[in-house]
Amino acid sequence: AQSVTQLDSQVPVFEEAPVELRCNYSSSVSVYLFWYVQYPNQGLQLLLKYLSGSTLVKGINGFEAEFNKSQTSFHLRKPSVHISDTAEYFCAVSNMRFGAGTRLTVKP
Amino acid sequence: GAVVSQHPSWVICKSGTSVKIECRSLDFQATTMFWYRQFPKQSLMLMATSNEGSKATYEQGVEKDKFLINHASLTLSTLTVTSAHPEDSSFYICSAPIAGGSYEQYFGPGTRLTVT
Repeated sequence: AQSVTQLDSQVPVFEEAPVELRCNYSSSVSVYLFWYVQYPNQGLQLLLKYLSGSTLVKGINGFEAEFNKSQTSFHLRKPSVHISDTAEYFCAVSNMRFGAGTRLTVKP
Repeated sequence: GAVVSQHPSWVICKSGTSVKIECRSLDFQATTMFWYRQFPKQSLMLMATSNEGSKATYEQGVEKDKFLINHASLTLSTLTVTSAHPEDSSFYICSAPIAGGSYEQYFGPGTRLTVT
């Protein structure tokens, strides 16, 4: 079975600081990996996805993630965050299973 | 781009009544849709896979007689919470996969159900 673990439930950062949201996966077969963002009382929006090919994936809103097979990780990064990035972020695998989520709070 | 809508966006009902939530794919056909439940400050829990023209597939621990799913057309799936109780209060989200087998999904905006 496939699963993901998000290592941080909350990540507070100051505006314009870099951020990394961690995700580790478990799978015995090839996986597709996704990062979604959820704003309050809304559905999920796809940030980026890894299907195959280049391990560095660029997404919307300046986010990127790196697929690391040896470390079974797919961490999400942004070099400089904005207040508007405050939201819940979910890592997911191809079997529609989601991590517990990381609440990113960007402070002025 | 593709859009998935849900109706209603929020609903309040009394304990013991039933509530129907609609999930529509607006500009594409979806033979499969997924229903999730999300408790406050928690992740999405997959409840069931809705299949057009056939019975839904429920995840372990989800009561199929309580959460009735009907996928009557290629653009509409419905979730009916029967005999709702306060513990059924939650945020319900549906999604539909895009074509191509990449497992990427389009998510609906969600429906907030409050049972009083």
